[in-house]
Amino acid sequence: GAGVSQSPSNKVTEKGKDVELRCDPISGHTALYWYRQRLGQGLEFLIYFQGNSAPDKSGLPSDRFSAERTGESVSTLTIQRTQQEDSAVYLCASSLVGSTNEKLFFGSGTQLSVL
Amino acid sequence: QQQVKQSPQSLIVQKGGIPIINCAYENTAFDYFPWYQQFPGKGPALLIAIRPDVSEKKEGRFTISFNKSAKQFSLHIMDSQPGDSATYFCAASKGSARQLTFGSGTQLTVLP
Repeated sequence: GAGVSQSPSNKVTEKGKDVELRCDPISGHTALYWYRQRLGQGLEFLIYFQGNSAPDKSGLPSDRFSAERTGESVSTLTIQRTQQEDSAVYLCASSLVGSTNEKLFFGSGTQLSVL
Repeated sequence: QQQVKQSPQSLIVQKGGIPIINCAYENTAFDYFPWYQQFPGKGPALLIAIRPDVSEKKEGRFTISFNKSAKQFSLHIMDSQPGDSATYFCAASKGSARQLTFGSGTQLTVLP
């Protein structure tokens, strides 16, 4: 695709439900990131995938959060037993790896609202 | 803790003004300082970036000033336009983009 695609764009769920967010990175981009953006705050790193390497999960806030990536394509971020503090915009980004300080290309995000 | 502190939180200027957004960092190992621009409902997009071997970088109307000794860097927007109204994030990293630490953002409004 032309850019990073995320779905759904908006998700409203009830506290305690599980949600699954999807990210389609730019074709050929080997690196994929998930960030969380709370209202009025900066971007908070969640997880990073690079090729077949083990993902860097150091930013996941709790064991309710998990993510998978199929090869070098689609990724899903799953939040189990959602809590109100999980309400945020979840952003996915992809990049080409090979040079220092590679540029991140972000999707438009999924606005998650937990009632 | 690696932090990047950004100010102001919000900024309003008249068209043609020169808004300045400031960031300060703690980790002297940082070697890459990008600025991202985010419009409502969109993801952030890379605007301009600088490395610490230069004190200033210009791209069009956007300029980064970098002060290594003070561990500060700033974004200046010359001849600002209403279309520049967006949220601006500074960031810093050592090495790859995976290590980017973002500031808290500045919401800029340029009045017509």
